[in-house]
Amino acid sequence: KAGVTQTPRYLIKTRGQQVTLSCSPISGHRSVSWYQQTPGQGLQFLFEYFSETQRNKGNFPGRFSGRQFSNSRSEMNVSTLELGDSALYLCASSSVGPPDGYTFGSGTRLTVV
Amino acid sequence: AQSVSQHNHHVILSEAASLELGCNYSYGGTVNLFWYVQYPGQHLQLLLKYFSGDPLVKGIKGFEAEFIKSKFSFNLRKPSVQWSDTAEYFCAVNDRGNNRLAFGKGNQVVVIP
Repeated sequence: KAGVTQTPRYLIKTRGQQVTLSCSPISGHRSVSWYQQTPGQGLQFLFEYFSETQRNKGNFPGRFSGRQFSNSRSEMNVSTLELGDSALYLCASSSVGPPDGYTFGSGTRLTVV
Repeated sequence: AQSVSQHNHHVILSEAASLELGCNYSYGGTVNLFWYVQYPGQHLQLLLKYFSGDPLVKGIKGFEAEFIKSKFSFNLRKPSVQWSDTAEYFCAVNDRGNNRLAFGKGNQVVVIP
């Protein structure tokens, strides 16, 4: 079965701009989570969506937001980009009920200049 | 909040040596435990997981991990490593009932042929 698909793979933006990243989960998976990976902070949880509702949120500023559509695809948005937002953004999907692990996508590498 | 500790961030081994990576977490409730691997240039892949039952868990590629509840530990082992095991290894924890993973900082493992 197809894995978790994230687009685009790479992005370069300038400070102050906004960006939207997309994630298509594995078919049948209704939970989508987002993580930020940086060399200094490691992997940090951003938020989780289930059935179009945000269920959990990490400790990130309000500039980071997301949404989920009825087909379970999810987007995350970062407004007013800062240099420190440069990171690999990972999406993970999981099934309903006891999770069979979390399947990660290849990520979107965002560089803010 | 949950926290996950991984020690010895950089590990260098020769092929055929044994590998053990430590993982300790701080959380008083019932947890799910995971080890993920990230090969150079690739996405996070699930090595193994523990939800309940036998505390000795076998995963892919000859890896195993042991859950010791009294020590809040979930250490990863492989009896004989190969050059292809060169990767970064992450321990992750989430409490039952939510899909928010807390990751350790990772272990960068280099296997010398």
